[in-house]
Amino acid sequence: EVQMLESGGGLVQPGGSLRLSCAASGFTFSTYAMGWVRQAPGKGLFWVSSIDYSGGVAYYADSVKGRFTISRDNSKSTLYLQVNSLRAEDTAVYYCAKISLASSNFDSWGQGTLVTVAS
Amino acid sequence: DIQMTQSPSTLSASVGDRVTLTCRASQNINSWLAWYQQKPGKAPKLLIYKASSLESGVPSRFSGSGSGTEFTLTISSLQPDDFATYYCQQYNSYSRAFGPGTKLEIK
Repeated sequence: EVQMLESGGGLVQPGGSLRLSCAASGFTFSTYAMGWVRQAPGKGLFWVSSIDYSGGVAYYADSVKGRFTISRDNSKSTLYLQVNSLRAEDTAVYYCAKISLASSNFDSWGQGTLVTVAS
Repeated sequence: DIQMTQSPSTLSASVGDRVTLTCRASQNINSWLAWYQQKPGKAPKLLIYKASSLESGVPSRFSGSGSGTEFTLTISSLQPDDFATYYCQQYNSYSRAFGPGTKLEIK
């Protein structure tokens, strides 16, 4: 069974940093591109970042470019999102998701980890 | 960047109704569009990809159509489990923008 388990969220002050992790299992992690999607409380989905299967190519939403860094460790089947210079508007549940080889879409999702940016 | 819009923002319907949700892209995205269903407190679920291809395990009452800039998701006969929020997402460009969502409510 495909599973992704996010961790690393929490309460952080504006300007602070966190490292989110997503431990994957049930599939050959190194074969798949992965991504992060966030959802602010009561709001819609927002694509944050994606990374290819090898970690060699990454893409970011404009609003996080330069502040967030996506990476992966295929030996540990783990996806990361380093989030720096956090702002109140970054408060959200952060989901990691697997990108299907067949459809190029997010076909499996974790349960999410909540990041709250507040003083 | 490609912007996505959805209409209506909220739709009230009854079990058994046929409903159509609309998604528009700010520029041509060919057929690179997906639809997701999300229920409160849960992660989204992929329903449709490449505008009209049904994801494995998704009931056939869901169907998608469109290309270019205008797309629709149709549910042929609403079931109680279908009341949720639906998002479209483009993947024509590297920025996989989502639409703002349509909340499907019970009338």
